[in-house]
Amino acid sequence: DVKVTQSSRYLVKRTGEKVFLECVQDMDHENMFWYRQDPGLGLRLIYFSYDVKMKEKGDIPEGYSVSREKKERFSLILESASTNQTSMYLCASSSGLAGGLAKNIQYFGAGTRLSVL
Amino acid sequence: EDQVTQSPEALRLQEGESSSLNCSYTVSGLRGLFWYRQDPGKGPEFLFTLYSAGEEKEKERLKATLTKKESFLHITAPKPEDSATYLCAVRPKTSYDKVIFGPGTSLSVIP
Repeated sequence: DVKVTQSSRYLVKRTGEKVFLECVQDMDHENMFWYRQDPGLGLRLIYFSYDVKMKEKGDIPEGYSVSREKKERFSLILESASTNQTSMYLCASSSGLAGGLAKNIQYFGAGTRLSVL
Repeated sequence: EDQVTQSPEALRLQEGESSSLNCSYTVSGLRGLFWYRQDPGKGPEFLFTLYSAGEEKEKERLKATLTKKESFLHITAPKPEDSATYLCAVRPKTSYDKVIFGPGTSLSVIP
């Protein structure tokens, strides 16, 4: 089974703090993704990465950055947390085209609920 | 613009009362349509993927179907444990690996 592990289930931070959200996958997947999920807005893509040290902006990258130094690990960084970044953050991974179309499915972690006070 | 909508927004069923959830999409070519289940406070759990019109997939009380413009998730004789939010997502042909998620349908099955 694919396992995507997010380091924290719940986080409480203060405005202006630098926040790191960590995600690790154990399936040697090429691609990794960070989403945020808010009531009424659904899942929105923040950043994704299709290779080590590669990253691409998603739909809402402002206020976030990412790091992928190793294939299995993808970090989301909030440089200076703000209250409007209070949300559920979801990490996902997929095999990419190398795995074949039928296996190219995004698998999700359990999520990190971040509150910024 | 690529778009995914789901209806209804919320659905309450009596246990055993069969129904269907709808996912409508407009994309510039479809490379795949995905259904996920999400329990409160948890990440989405993959259910099905469909690739071409006419395709169907089944798992226990769930069956997913696909046409050129929409997909249905049919729930037969649901049980309370089927209560969850069901998300639909599409991968356009123009996308390397990104998917577009719909807003979801919140299903409640009452004993």
